[in-house]
Amino acid sequence: EDQVTQSPEALRLQEGESSSLNCSYTVSGLRGLFWYRQDPGKGPEFLFTLYSAGEEKEKERLKATLTKKESFLHITAPKPEDSATYLCAVRENTDKLIFGTGTRLQVFP
Amino acid sequence: GAVVSQHPSWVICKSGTSVKIECRSLDFQATTMFWYRQFPKQSLMLMATSNEGSKATYEQGVEKDKFLINHASLTLSTLTVTSAHPEDSSFYICSVGTGMSNQPQHFGDGTRLSIL
Repeated sequence: EDQVTQSPEALRLQEGESSSLNCSYTVSGLRGLFWYRQDPGKGPEFLFTLYSAGEEKEKERLKATLTKKESFLHITAPKPEDSATYLCAVRENTDKLIFGTGTRLQVFP
Repeated sequence: GAVVSQHPSWVICKSGTSVKIECRSLDFQATTMFWYRQFPKQSLMLMATSNEGSKATYEQGVEKDKFLINHASLTLSTLTVTSAHPEDSSFYICSVGTGMSNQPQHFGDGTRLSIL
């Protein structure tokens, strides 16, 4: 059965304290792994798409990487405005997205 | 990416009421839209795939007679929760698919539905 698991469930960081979020997946026929940011009461906001092992994408303080079994979202020197829930999703052969349960990140000044 | 507008943002109504939620693709003609449901501190669960001009495809366990989906134009899909009950209270989110496998889905800001 296709599955996406994110860890940790919650993460508290001091401003400037770098860390990584993990997304492990098992899916037949991966057609893309997506990272989204979701603020409370809002819909997910697209961050990155990764397609093949070894691929990396960067945007400001965020960097996403992909292996054959997992993806990492690295946050360098986070700021309070980076506080949000980060969702990982994989697209399978049927074009559907399967979401993980997310990592709730809190960054304190 | 596609700009998606969802309305209303939140709605509170009595048990037994039917509620309609609109999802509009503002800058893209979407042949496919998706409807998700999200319970507190849980992930997004796909309910159905809305196809313009044809019947929606529902996920296993989702009652098609309770969650009516209409996708009559390339810019509008609606989800109607019929005879809503408290257990239907949730956050409903729509997304637009571009139909291209290398493009992400773009999401609306969701509708918070509370049934009393």
